[in-house]
Amino acid sequence: DAGVTQSPTHLIKTRGQQVTLRCSPKSGHDTVSWYQQALGQGPQFIFQYYEEEERQRGNFPDRFSGHQFPNYSSELNVNALLLGDSALYLCASSLYGRGISNQPQHFGDGTRLSIL
Amino acid sequence: RKEVEQDPGPFNVPEGATVAFNCTYSNSASQSFFWYRQDCRKEPKLLMSVYSSGNEDGRFTAQLNRASQYISLLIRDSKLSDSATYLCVVNGHDEYNNNDMRFGAGTRLTVKP
Repeated sequence: DAGVTQSPTHLIKTRGQQVTLRCSPKSGHDTVSWYQQALGQGPQFIFQYYEEEERQRGNFPDRFSGHQFPNYSSELNVNALLLGDSALYLCASSLYGRGISNQPQHFGDGTRLSIL
Repeated sequence: RKEVEQDPGPFNVPEGATVAFNCTYSNSASQSFFWYRQDCRKEPKLLMSVYSSGNEDGRFTAQLNRASQYISLLIRDSKLSDSATYLCVVNGHDEYNNNDMRFGAGTRLTVKP
């Protein structure tokens, strides 16, 4: 039973560039959430995708966008990269719906993004 | 005010000690609560859920006080391997989807020989 997988593991970019990160959810899950975790901080919610649509969004600028594919996998895109975008980007998968708040999300290993 | 607040620590304790972490949350609509553990440069992993009646898993005890919007984690007989960052998580605020977790900044624990 495959867990959540993310790629790439590490990435180095320069300011102003664009980046795409990828995530495949755990088998049986239909929802993907993305988080940004800066050094020494807890994960900050970026957005959540279900049925190929963004369902919820955290306090992140429009430079952060995403996509979900019919096979439930997802991409996170960040445009016009800033130094402050350097962080660990985590993807978590879950099931969508009401009455399931007792089901925790499962995380991938993350992509460590460094902006020079 | 942050949605989920934790004492960042660090907590430095000797092996065998008992240590407690606290967490408060701002959204009274929060439905479920968890403690996650995160090792350095690794992804968060579920440690335990937190139930209204309180629950125990070996050396770990979690408690919830909904009236005070407060969650705690107690670790007894600390081991070196307990050294990690402990993340408080609240879940279940959205009207349509109850799986929208919010994380605290984490409390760092170091257990020393």
